[in-house]
Amino acid sequence: SQKIEQNSEALNIQEGKTATLTCNYTNYSPAYLQWYRQDPGRGPVFLLLIRENEKEKRKERLKVTFDTTLKQSLFHITASQPADSATYLCALPGYSSASKIIFGSGTRLSIRP
Amino acid sequence: GAVVSQHPSWVICKSGTSVKIECRSLDFQATTMFWYRQFPKQSLMLMATSNEGSKATYEQGVEKDKFLINHASLTLSTLTVTSAHPEDSSFYICSARVAGGAEAFFGQGTRLTVV
Repeated sequence: SQKIEQNSEALNIQEGKTATLTCNYTNYSPAYLQWYRQDPGRGPVFLLLIRENEKEKRKERLKVTFDTTLKQSLFHITASQPADSATYLCALPGYSSASKIIFGSGTRLSIRP
Repeated sequence: GAVVSQHPSWVICKSGTSVKIECRSLDFQATTMFWYRQFPKQSLMLMATSNEGSKATYEQGVEKDKFLINHASLTLSTLTVTSAHPEDSSFYICSARVAGGAEAFFGQGTRLTVV
């Protein structure tokens, strides 16, 4: 069955440093992978999508990589700020139905001043 | 981006009663909407796919008679939690995608507390 793992339940880093979050998946070769941000008590908000033929995607201070051989995506936030503190979710289209979106367990990121 | 609105944002109900949650796509039409459930400090678990004009498709382990889904129009899907029990207390979130798009737009979620 499809599995998506985000290796850190929580990550605490110093403001200004680069935060790196990891997403690994198994038993699947998705056409794309997405990252979302979720704040407490709110629905997720889309951040970035990277396709299987793209190795890297950037958006402002965000960078995502996609290694289809390792079945892994890395999500980087450079020059991190306390406002970046949130839970970050990795998501893939469903194995049985690409219209579905299946989420990883998420990583709670805390940026301390 | 597209806007999905969910109502109510929170609700408290007595055990045994039913609760209806609405999910609306405000500026686009959604033939398909998705309902998720999220327990504290856990990820979103897909419950069902809501299909306009037809029956919803439920994920394995989700009771279709307990979680009734109706998608009567291209902009509205409803989730009714029937005969609610305290274990149904959770955060329920809906999402929809613009036709042809991969990005999902989420409602603000509904915090259900059953007492």
